[in-house]
Amino acid sequence: QPVLTQPPSISGAPGQRVTISCTGNSSNIGAGFDVHWYRQLPGTAPKLLIFSNNNRPSGVPDRFSGSKSGTSASLAITGLQAADEGDYYCQSYDTGLSGSVVFGGGTKLTVL
Amino acid sequence: QVQLQESGPGLVKPSQTLSLTCTVSGGSMKSGGYYWSWIRQHPGKGLEWIGYIYYSGSTYYNPSLKSRLTISADMSKNHFSLKLNSVTAADTAIYYCAREVWGATGHFDSWGQGSLVTVSS
Repeated sequence: QPVLTQPPSISGAPGQRVTISCTGNSSNIGAGFDVHWYRQLPGTAPKLLIFSNNNRPSGVPDRFSGSKSGTSASLAITGLQAADEGDYYCQSYDTGLSGSVVFGGGTKLTVL
Repeated sequence: QVQLQESGPGLVKPSQTLSLTCTVSGGSMKSGGYYWSWIRQHPGKGLEWIGYIYYSGSTYYNPSLKSRLTISADMSKNHFSLKLNSVTAADTAIYYCAREVWGATGHFDSWGQGSLVTVSS
């Protein structure tokens, strides 16, 4: 069972706004650790989308934004495009697992 | 732009040792500020962090794999390696090497393309 909980799937129409949640607890997100987000297209490696809660690496459009509050974090995508389809993962640290890196179970985004 | 590339056998027999190497190009592993990491993804599943090695040689492993795991590096050749012994079918996965940016909560800013390793007789 992944330490961080994400919805297995979400969908949206082109142009819409969708959000993906990442829920943890007091041992990880709630302990103050940052949350990072990755997108994985079929057959490829994950790619960093958001780091340290709400920062975009160079080249990631501002349609992607992140937030964190309490024991949860969210990734928002506005102006949904067909190219946004893929699997999205959140990542943080967990003190309960001796400081291990932990990932969410992933959310499959479908653009209708 | 740093690039990472995994290499190694795609098929390993049960009870044997899985060995992979990640070659880093476009940057030196000795520069510091990064953890050189391994992450795996079981078929159709999510991501599982395996462990990392720092340029100093210090390592940190996922507690669930620690007893079977060794991560080493040859800084002069700019590559690092993973050895996982006593493998079973449960170790069948795509293995990624990645660079984790050092910090309170590091993030993985560069990834290899992944190497599928199947454990089967």
